[in-house]
Amino acid sequence: DVKVTQSSRYLVKRTGEKVFLECVQDMDHENMFWYRQDPGLGLRLIYFSYDVKMKEKGDIPEGYSVSREKKERFSLILESASTNQTSMYLCASKGIAYNSPLHFGNGTRLTVT
Amino acid sequence: GDSVTQMEGPVTLSEEAFLTINCTYTATGYPSLFWYVQYPGEGLQLLLKATKADDKGSNKGFEATYRKETTSFHLEKGSVQVSDSAVYFCAHSYNTDKLIFGTGTRLQVF
Repeated sequence: DVKVTQSSRYLVKRTGEKVFLECVQDMDHENMFWYRQDPGLGLRLIYFSYDVKMKEKGDIPEGYSVSREKKERFSLILESASTNQTSMYLCASKGIAYNSPLHFGNGTRLTVT
Repeated sequence: GDSVTQMEGPVTLSEEAFLTINCTYTATGYPSLFWYVQYPGEGLQLLLKATKADDKGSNKGFEATYRKETTSFHLEKGSVQVSDSAVYFCAHSYNTDKLIFGTGTRLQVF
């Protein structure tokens, strides 16, 4: 079974702090994704990566950056956290076939005060 | 642009009732279609999928049929259980690794 592990379940940070959200997958998947989930808005794609050191912007990249130094690890970085980044963050990975499914972690609920 | 529209929730049903959650999509070409489920406190997990017209995906008693003519992929279950209470997401992808998700439908079974 594919396992996608997000390092923190809950995080509370202050406005202006730099925040790192870590994600690790154990199935040698090429593609990794970061989404945020908000009530009434569903899932929105922040960034994705299709290979080590490669990244592409999703639908809402502003205020975020990412890092993929190793195939199994994909980090989401909030350079200067703001209250409107309070949300549930979901990491996912998938194989290279277009119709292969996404495998999600359990999410990190981030609160910025 | 490409999008997924699903019915707003919450859907509230008594145990053993019939479930339908509607999903329609707009897409260039013929996408692969997915239903994901999110149980409380967890991430999303794939429930079922269909990759071409008239395909039926099924899992855990849930079914959905890829209807090209109506661009729909409605989720159905004949007899829901309390343990089916969750949020259900419809999604599609076409020649891309990115999935487009609907906003989710919360199901409450009592």
